[in-house]
Amino acid sequence: GAGVSQSPRYKVAKRGQDVALRCDPISGHVSLFWYQQALGQGPEFLTYFQNEAQLDKSGLPSDRFFAERPEGSVSTLKIQRTQQEDSAVYLCASSLQQYSNQPQHFGDGTRLSIL
Amino acid sequence: RKEVEQDPGPFNVPEGATVAFNCTYSNSASQSFFWYRQDCRKEPKLLMSVYSSGNEDGRFTAQLNRASQYISLLIRDSKLSDSATYLCVVNRNSGNTPLVFGKGTRLSVIA
Repeated sequence: GAGVSQSPRYKVAKRGQDVALRCDPISGHVSLFWYQQALGQGPEFLTYFQNEAQLDKSGLPSDRFFAERPEGSVSTLKIQRTQQEDSAVYLCASSLQQYSNQPQHFGDGTRLSIL
Repeated sequence: RKEVEQDPGPFNVPEGATVAFNCTYSNSASQSFFWYRQDCRKEPKLLMSVYSSGNEDGRFTAQLNRASQYISLLIRDSKLSDSATYLCVVNRNSGNTPLVFGKGTRLSVIA
């Protein structure tokens, strides 16, 4: 399809394991965003890429969270030594241009459960 | 004060009713404003951008009051399919800065 694609849709991991979440943005979209959404909350900004450059990572909750977009297209969000509080839906969004007045198109999200 | 605040609801309204949601934001330098809609266990989808002069899209009208730092969304002639969570979204500061989402207002339209 032509939308933002995320995988896996669901991920269950034991506390302490590392996980990697993938985002495939809409082709040609310059900007890519990662958000974390806890139950009953709105999405919380994690990090932002313009092409391959990570311009803002102020929302990453700890140094266990790492994101990359090495070729300016697909992005991976990695969480090391997962904790129970990491359980949430991780949403990826992309937009055509770099400006924050551009609409963002979201993927279905990855629902992460840490046991 | 939280960056973006919304009444979480739920708002339970009958079909055909008119319903309005308000949202307040804390940073007077914010320049980009949106309403997103999120269905249960689905991703957020852009409903409409909000412009200073106010804008309308069919049954939906959005207004921005910069002086009071609030944004509103009016839905006329509510349909069952309007049932969803409505997220108020503001950019954190002027320029190209991250978007900040409110917690959302839940709407249930009842037959």
